[in-house]
Amino acid sequence: DSGVTQTPKHLITATGQRVTLRCSPRSGDLSVYWYQQSLDQGLQFLIQYYNGEERAKGNILERFSAQQFPDLHSELNLSSLELGDSALYFCASSVVVPNTEAFFGQGTRLTVV
Amino acid sequence: GENVEQHPSTLSVQEGDSAVIKCTYSDSASNYFPWYKQELGKRPQLIIDIRSNVGEKKDQRIAVTLNKTAKHFSLHITETQPEDSAVYFCAARIERGGADGLTFGKGTHLIIQP
Repeated sequence: DSGVTQTPKHLITATGQRVTLRCSPRSGDLSVYWYQQSLDQGLQFLIQYYNGEERAKGNILERFSAQQFPDLHSELNLSSLELGDSALYFCASSVVVPNTEAFFGQGTRLTVV
Repeated sequence: GENVEQHPSTLSVQEGDSAVIKCTYSDSASNYFPWYKQELGKRPQLIIDIRSNVGEKKDQRIAVTLNKTAKHFSLHITETQPEDSAVYFCAARIERGGADGLTFGKGTHLIIQP
């Protein structure tokens, strides 16, 4: 167990809908990262938050957004869902000092039908 | 941005033999290179990492080498065992003022043949 908790584990929804994925980082970790894993694109960095503020952006679509709350949990919001958004979404957390590892949660498997 | 290439995409070796997976990166500012192992349906787990000020690191049967000049790094697994079968991802990171998402390679499916 990495200490990073993601809910829900599985999510099935229809095209055009909006969903929210939730992540609780390890105790003491200030930084949260979101990654998308799909068969064709592999593991892709979406966005990073540090202590409530957006810190870095990767390949995140405009239909997607995220935030980190004062208790450090984070939510990833996916809207106007398309079939191609079906993927595993991972959250990771780390203590942000130079060169420290990120611990991944178990992921949320999103299926858009 | 950073780009990480990983080869091969699939690697099949006999149990007990060694396996080598290679990655190259594009941005010379990258300073942290982790390797993750992912079993089917599970989360990526860090197995070893190396910083840019080190050329080689070893942990039991696993070793990683880094060549900063050539911008490539490799994972070496010796005396492979059935439980080593998984997908392995290399990654690179540039730490800029606390902004440090990982850029992953496409992964290598390692198959250990009994």
